[in-house]
Amino acid sequence: EADIYQTPRYLVIGTGKKITLECSQTMGHDKMYWYQQDPGMELHLIHYSYGVNSTEKGDLSSESTVSRIRTEHFPLTLESARPSHTSQYLCASSGSSLNTEAFFGQGTRLTVV
Amino acid sequence: AQSVTQLDSQVPVFEEAPVELRCNYSSSVSVYLFWYVQYPNQGLQLLLKYLSGSTLVKGINGFEAEFNKSQTSFHLRKPSVHISDTAEYFCAVTSSGNTPLVFGKGTRLSVIA
Repeated sequence: EADIYQTPRYLVIGTGKKITLECSQTMGHDKMYWYQQDPGMELHLIHYSYGVNSTEKGDLSSESTVSRIRTEHFPLTLESARPSHTSQYLCASSGSSLNTEAFFGQGTRLTVV
Repeated sequence: AQSVTQLDSQVPVFEEAPVELRCNYSSSVSVYLFWYVQYPNQGLQLLLKYLSGSTLVKGINGFEAEFNKSQTSFHLRKPSVHISDTAEYFCAVTSSGNTPLVFGKGTRLSVIA
């Protein structure tokens, strides 16, 4: 069973606030990902990491930043939240073998008012 | 870059009827294909995957998919759907090497009693 956790599950926050979305996995996976999911379902890759101290931007430009100081932890930060950041954020991880599937967390639904 | 096209954004089907959800991918030397399911307010769960070998892949919950290289397709099928199959379904692809999964826009399957 996949063990990847996201907190909080739901967050409503005011414009201009700094927020950090947490993602942790207990599977020892090297690869971790953040996807942003539109209300219409489409997933867009915004950040990924293939190991400690390695982070890359994804296909969708995002004002968020990530860090990977520990293998199991991949937090996403928004320095100043805006209503345009309202979305669902999904974290995932996968093992080091080529082409193993990604395991997903439950997601964080962010609303910026 | 890899891309995935899910040809139907919504598929309504009566309970116990068969269903096919279509997925086409951009061609590459080798590809690895996945189908995920997302229930409301949840993350994504792997249904099945094709890495190599037999082109007919069986997954959980009675789903199966067939890899067709000549048509660059990986359609998902189930012979008899249940109300509980109502969800969003995502097709995803990665080519060999360290590339993140690329997702299609999703298909919303609605099973009608």
